[in-house]
Amino acid sequence: GAGVSQSPRYKVAKRGQDVALRCDPISGHVSLFWYQQALGQGPEFLTYFQNEAQLDKSGLPSDRFFAERPEGSVSTLKIQRTQQEDSAVYLCASSLSSGRQGETQYFGPGTRLLVL
Amino acid sequence: AQSVAQPEDQVNVAEGNPLTVKCTYSVSGNPYLFWYVQYPNRGLQFLLKYITGDNLVKGSYGFEAEFNKSQTSFHLKKPSALVSDSALYFCAVRGGNYQLIWGAGTKLIIKP
Repeated sequence: GAGVSQSPRYKVAKRGQDVALRCDPISGHVSLFWYQQALGQGPEFLTYFQNEAQLDKSGLPSDRFFAERPEGSVSTLKIQRTQQEDSAVYLCASSLSSGRQGETQYFGPGTRLLVL
Repeated sequence: AQSVAQPEDQVNVAEGNPLTVKCTYSVSGNPYLFWYVQYPNRGLQFLLKYITGDNLVKGSYGFEAEFNKSQTSFHLKKPSALVSDSALYFCAVRGGNYQLIWGAGTKLIIKP
């Protein structure tokens, strides 16, 4: 079956521009996660959705970052007034249900954002 | 605080030899431990996980990992390395909340 998909795969933005990154999770998956991966580092948690509810946004680095999942399926991560330090790969993951702490997260290919 | 350490930035192994990629963790409560592999310009692919039960976990592509509670380790192993195993490997732990906490990654290079 189809895995997690993300678009665009690559995005170049001028400093100050707004960007929107899209994630299509595996169909029927309840949980959705966003991570940020800087070059040469492990991913860092940004935010977590259970269906349409954003249960944890503690990892969002500033109020310029905003995520939504209005119908409990597709999610969008929006970054306003992009800065050079926002350059990273943004990874989306989904998992089947919620509350089971050993559940596997399945990742999309990521969106590589470069802010000039 | 929960954390994961991968002490080796890079591991070099000759093809056909056994490989080990090290991971240690620090969590409160029961650890849920994961290994993922990342190929260039691709997302993270799940390899295996430890939830409970047998300390030796078998996963995809012939990989296995050994959970050691006393040493707080979860090392990734494979009996015979392939050149195609060359990639970036990440260990992660999921503690009392929903997120995965990641190590910095280990670059595995398998030389023919």
